Formats: sequence, structure tokens, C-alpha cells
Amino acid sequence: LAKTTQPISMDSYEGQEVNITCSHNNIATNDYITWYQQFPSQGPRFIIQGYKTKVTNEVASLFIPADRKSSTLSLPRVSLSDTAVYYCLVGNRKLIWGLGTSLAVNP
Amino acid sequence: DGGITQSPKYLFRKEGQNVTLSCEQNLNHDAMYWYRQDPGQGLRLIYYSQIVNDFQKGDIAEGYSVSREKKESFPLTVTSAQKNPTAFYLCASSPGTSGGAWHTQYFGPGTRLTVL
Repeated sequence: LAKTTQPISMDSYEGQEVNITCSHNNIATNDYITWYQQFPSQGPRFIIQGYKTKVTNEVASLFIPADRKSSTLSLPRVSLSDTAVYYCLVGNRKLIWGLGTSLAVNP
Repeated sequence: DGGITQSPKYLFRKEGQNVTLSCEQNLNHDAMYWYRQDPGQGLRLIYYSQIVNDFQKGDIAEGYSVSREKKESFPLTVTSAQKNPTAFYLCASSPGTSGGAWHTQYFGPGTRLTVL
């Protein structure tokens, strides 16, 4: 199972673009990269998933370089409500949850 | 509205008692999961079910039991054998378990269980 490394915490301000990078050096060929968001005392919420190159939806973009050893979640123009923990997960079947990145968006 | 419901939101139990946590989904998903989350730790998989009448143990199944008699329902029983049951319990579902579907999980709001 691929292990992921992401920053423990990040700070930003309203209106800025936030990029959270996740390292997964031993990703396997058939592994997917998935990001979730979690607010306190709530269940995680699926944000985006990718396999290679770039994926974009109405909430975020996911950039994956050709070697797939890392990925970057990009949140455009964050607001206070984006303050949450963001998890990067890599694998094909079982999900291994780390501690995530605690993002604080300040006014 | 489609989604996953868990009840109750808060649950208190005395030591030595069994307690059952409810999880219902109307997303028509085949797979369902139970996790627990403790402060300072990531989610840990307790049990999962890929299809009705079938389920598999996750990483921390000891002291827990589940059933999957209906596609929509996946209740979790925390037995008295679970040594440290106080935690935040999360139920999830996914369209399937192949490829990226396993990772596309939809979570319920959670049940916070406290053992007194």
C-alpha cells in the first residue's frame, strides 16, 4: 500500500489559491489518487480523484505529474468555509487514512 | 435527497453493554463500510461489505459485529468485548469496489459513542 506524506498544517487567507501537495513515492501502477475534506465532527467528503495528468471539477483541481510520485490539490479562491482537514489517499482497494493537512483560512 | 444516515448522533453506554449503531443509504450503492476515528488518528476500517449477505473484517474488527441483510442497511454492533469503544464512528458507501470506485466513498454524519 502506498504511503502518503502531506503537510500537517497550512494557513491561507480568503480569496487566495491554496495548493496542498501530497508525496506518494511508492505508488503502484493501478493506484488511484483521491482527496477528501473533513470538517470537525462530520464525515469526510469526497473532493476529487485522478489517475494521471490533471482533473478538474467544480470544487478543485488535481495535478498529477507524469511519474505520479506526488499530486497537488488546488483550491481556487478559498473562503473561511474551506477551513478543514484535507486527506490524500492512494491505492486501488483499501483506503489508508493518515492525519491529513489541517487548512486554516483567515479573513 | 440521496445520502447516508446514521443514528443516533450521540450515544452513551455503560461498560459491559452491547450497542448497535444504525447506517442506512439510499444511493443504491453496493459497498458499505464502517470506520472509527479517534483524536489524533486517521480513520480505521472496522468492517466492509461488497454485497448483501457478505462482509469482511477490516483492520480493527475485534469486538465489533455487522450484518448486511438489505442493500440499504449495514448496522454495526459494538460488543462488550471491544476494550476501548469510545470513538467517533463513521459509515460510508461506494458504488462498488473495483478500480477507483472503492475510493469514491460517501460518508454519513457519524455517531459519537461514549462509554461511561
